[in-house]
Amino acid sequence: AQKITQTQPGMFVQEKEAVTLDCTYDTSDPSYGLFWYKQPSSGEMIFLIYQGSYDQQNATEGRYSLNFQKARKSANLVISASQLGDSAMYFCAMRDDSNTGKLIFGQGTTLQVKP
Amino acid sequence: DAGVIQSPRHEVTEMGQEVTLRCKPISGHDYLFWYRQTMMRGLELLIYFNNNVPIDDSGMPEDRFSAKMPNASFSTLKIQPSEPRDSAVYFCASSSETGGPHEQFFGPGTRLTVL
Repeated sequence: AQKITQTQPGMFVQEKEAVTLDCTYDTSDPSYGLFWYKQPSSGEMIFLIYQGSYDQQNATEGRYSLNFQKARKSANLVISASQLGDSAMYFCAMRDDSNTGKLIFGQGTTLQVKP
Repeated sequence: DAGVIQSPRHEVTEMGQEVTLRCKPISGHDYLFWYRQTMMRGLELLIYFNNNVPIDDSGMPEDRFSAKMPNASFSTLKIQPSEPRDSAVYFCASSSETGGPHEQFFGPGTRLTVL
């Protein structure tokens, strides 16, 4: 069965520093996609970044990058130059391409950025 | 283009009452998802539709829950009768299979409180 694991319930980071949020996954499907979403205290879910299982390079979107290590089945989110507005809950999710559309979410990591 | 629209944003009802949550997906999207988020269980997929047809309702907790999608621009999630344990934030999301990573775009959520 597919599974997403986020082992860090909460993280702190100093403003302007980089932080890595961990995500490991388990699937037997060769083709899949990995996503990160941000949920600020206001509650909305915001899509941040995507990595396909066959992508050769790690995905980047502005200050967000995804450290994809396929052999280890990990897809860690790296946020560079943290800002106070990055304080939020972050969810890792996986889609297997045999069941197009459906996402399985991890439990989330709460990030607090300290001034 | 407007995002996913959900109504109502907040709903307070008494145990035993019928509750109907509404969702308008992004125009042109062919997938629609209903999620429930609680502190205890995190983000759970309840049901999803493809081209208005229910594909997977294995996450629907019990017969008290039902969902419909009569057309491409409207879906409802109904709880009848409601119970206090149904209190949660309910999200609707939509996505498109046409190109791209098929990321899901979430609505603002409906916060349901059952007294």
